[in-house]
Parts: sequence; C-alpha cells; structure tokens
Amino acid sequence: KAGVTQTPRYLIKTRGQQVTLSCSPISGHRSVSWYQQTPGQGLQFLFEYFSETQRNKGNFPGRFSGRQFSNSRSEMNVSTLELGDSALYLCASSMDSSLSGNTIYFGEGSWLTVV
Amino acid sequence: GENVEQHPSTLSVQEGDSAVIKCTYSDSASNYFPWYKQELGKRPQLIIDIRSNVGEKKDQRIAVTLNKTAKHFSLHITETQPEDSAVYFCAATGGTSYGKLTFGQGTILTVHP
Repeated sequence: KAGVTQTPRYLIKTRGQQVTLSCSPISGHRSVSWYQQTPGQGLQFLFEYFSETQRNKGNFPGRFSGRQFSNSRSEMNVSTLELGDSALYLCASSMDSSLSGNTIYFGEGSWLTVV
Repeated sequence: GENVEQHPSTLSVQEGDSAVIKCTYSDSASNYFPWYKQELGKRPQLIIDIRSNVGEKKDQRIAVTLNKTAKHFSLHITETQPEDSAVYFCAATGGTSYGKLTFGQGTILTVHP
C-alpha cells in the first residue's frame, strides 16, 4: 500500500509569488491535514479536510488556504510568499480523524524556500 | 486550545542505556497520544501511540505510559542503539480537535556508541 505522497519535494520561490503543494493520501483515507515545520516554531497545524470540507483550521493568516478533491487528494496554496514561509510542509492522512484514536501518517513533505 | 509541553529538549545517552521523554497536555478532552520519530531530512514516523482508555503500551524496546489524571504521558526506550538517534515528538489530539495534532517541541536524542 503506497504511503502519503507529496509533490513537489523541493521548490524555491521568490517573495510575493504563490505556491501550490499537492498531497495524495493513503488509499482509503479520507482525512487530510497539513502542517508547517520550522526550526523555530516546530510542527504547527494548518488545516484539516474530510470529504472535501475543511473541518479544522490552525492559526495561520488567510494567505494559507487549501482544498480537497472528491478522490481525497488535497492541495494547499500559499499566496504572497514571505521569507518566513520557508519551511517543510507536511501532509498527513488518516481514515477519519473524527474517530477516537485514529492513526495519522505523514508524507515526506515539501521543502519550500522563499528567497 | 490544547498545549503540549515536552521535556527534555535534548537527551544524550550511552548505547544500551534507557531513555525517557515526558510530555504534559492541557486539554482533558484529548484522547489519543502518538509519538513520532523524525530523522534528519525525513518525515515524522509513528513509532507508538496510546489511547486514553489504556495506561501503558509496549512494543519491543519502546513503551508509552499515560496518566490521565495528571495529564502526562511518557516514552520509554530501553537498550538504546545508535540508530535510535533522532528527534522525537509527542502529540495529542481528541475531542473536537480531530485531525489536529498538537505537538510538543521535540527531543533530540543522541545515542553514543
């Protein structure tokens, strides 16, 4: 069974640009969540989607957005990039995160560098 | 919202020793507590988890204990090996915060041969 797949793995963008990251969850998983990882802030929750609906959202500005498609694949978008957006963006999937004790698996992440 | 505190931030042990990492959480509604191991440049990998209806869980050299009353949980690694060297994160989730893992700050574990 394939794991969580994220693309692209590495990318460099310029301040002010926008970026779209993609995530394919484990087959059968309907919940997809996104995290930002930086050395200073650690792992921080961005948002979670289930059946194409955002169910939970972290404390990030509106420049960070996401969506989920009918096949459970998800994308996140960051507009008007800032230097501080440089981070590892991790996607995680689970069968249904509303179930108690639902196991969550991470993808390899997308390394974003903003210059 | 949930807040998770993790200690220590760094831990250095000799091969064969035991290592213990402790986390406390604030939201009594949290009911699922996974531990992730992250090697340099890699994704966080689930190594063990515990649900709130269980006090202890063991998997070979790794064990996790949960004290719901005190709201803390701990990771125990016995007979450590150099390949255990990594960053370990605890996390908590539950209640209405489904899909949202709140992570501790991480512990850099170094196992010296």
